[in-house]
Amino acid sequence: GAVVSQHPSWVICKSGTSVKIECRSLDFQATTMFWYRQFPKQSLMLMATSNEGSKATYEQGVEKDKFLINHASLTLSTLTVTSAHPEDSSFYICSPKAQDYGYTFGSGTRLTVV
Amino acid sequence: QKEVEQDPGPLSVPEGAIVSLNCTYSNSAFQYFMWYRQYSRKGPELLMYTYSSGNKEDGRFTAQVDKSSKYISLFIRDSQPSDSATYLCAMRVGGSARQLTFGSGTQLTVLP
Repeated sequence: GAVVSQHPSWVICKSGTSVKIECRSLDFQATTMFWYRQFPKQSLMLMATSNEGSKATYEQGVEKDKFLINHASLTLSTLTVTSAHPEDSSFYICSPKAQDYGYTFGSGTRLTVV
Repeated sequence: QKEVEQDPGPLSVPEGAIVSLNCTYSNSAFQYFMWYRQYSRKGPELLMYTYSSGNKEDGRFTAQVDKSSKYISLFIRDSQPSDSATYLCAMRVGGSARQLTFGSGTQLTVLP
């Protein structure tokens, strides 16, 4: 149980373009979704928290207009990095949370902006 | 001061050694404590989950929580090269669906 699918695992994009990352909970319903960013050799930093059907709550310093989060259903959440720049290059990890499960994590997406 | 402090290492041990990983924290409201293992460019996977103070053992892994000292530990017995990874401590306050606060991670290498 508690299988999470995150895609793509690796993406390279040109500066100024947008990238969408998908996170699916395959065998459970995620009422809450956490999105993290991780720079090399650093820990996971929470970017935002979203509940199904509600707007995401962003952590201080995270631009909500740049990192668009959609949690339209209990099994799918997306993170769109808009007008990406090289400093947005990082490892992005989703973490769906269901009522009866612990904290699960996707396999991560490595974003490289060139 | 960070809420959760963890020695980043790197830590290198010979195969079969006992490994001790530690975190300290400052928020006395933390009630749930976890250890995650993360391989390079992968998401974290849960190793141990404990509530409040005490010990918990699962195979070669033992987690200890000392809330009075705000100190948690993970012990790995008979370490194997496959244990080589980054180990992250994480913790949260009570209530449902609360965010986790992570340590910075300790990079462990077990040499064959």
